[in-house]
Amino acid sequence: EDQVTQSPEALRLQEGESSSLNCSYTVSGLRGLFWYRQDPGKGPEFLFTLYSAGEEKEKERLKATLTKKESFLHITAPKPEDSATYLCAVQDAYGQNFVFGPGTRLSVLP
Amino acid sequence: DAGVIQSPRHEVTEMGQEVTLRCKPISGHNSLFWYRQTMMRGLELLIYFNNNVPIDDSGMPEDRFSAKMPNASFSTLKIQPSEPRDSAVYFCASAMSLLAKNIQYFGAGTRLSVL
Repeated sequence: EDQVTQSPEALRLQEGESSSLNCSYTVSGLRGLFWYRQDPGKGPEFLFTLYSAGEEKEKERLKATLTKKESFLHITAPKPEDSATYLCAVQDAYGQNFVFGPGTRLSVLP
Repeated sequence: DAGVIQSPRHEVTEMGQEVTLRCKPISGHNSLFWYRQTMMRGLELLIYFNNNVPIDDSGMPEDRFSAKMPNASFSTLKIQPSEPRDSAVYFCASAMSLLAKNIQYFGAGTRLSVL
């Protein structure tokens, strides 16, 4: 059974304080790993897709990396507007099953 | 593009009543997904369609839940009869396909409260 765990559950950072969020997964052949951002009262918003170990993607202050067992979302010099819940999801090799992790709730204080 | 459109945004109903949630996917997308999100269980996939055909409904919690996709631009999720434990936020998402490089785009969700 495909599983996704995320850590930490919640993270509080000062503005400018860089950190990383972790997504660990077990899947019967990884087709893709997805990172989403979710603001309160809204649907998840797509950030990145990673397909193979060693791959990296960047967008503004965010950088996502992928290994065979986990993915990291690195946040460099975060700003208060980066506060949100960050969700990780995996798609298995058959391209049909999508499993989301529980998310990391990030708060960036000014 | 207007994105995935869900209605209503909020629904309050009494136990035992029928509830119908609606979704309009992004034009040109041929895969549609229904999710439920709660604090306890996070985001759970309920059912997904490809080309209007249900592919996997193993996430549907009970026979009280049913979903249809009569055409490429409309889907419904129905709960009959509703129970307080069905209270959650229900999301609809659509994607170009089930294959690789598939990105799901989510609607704003319907917050359901069953009293």
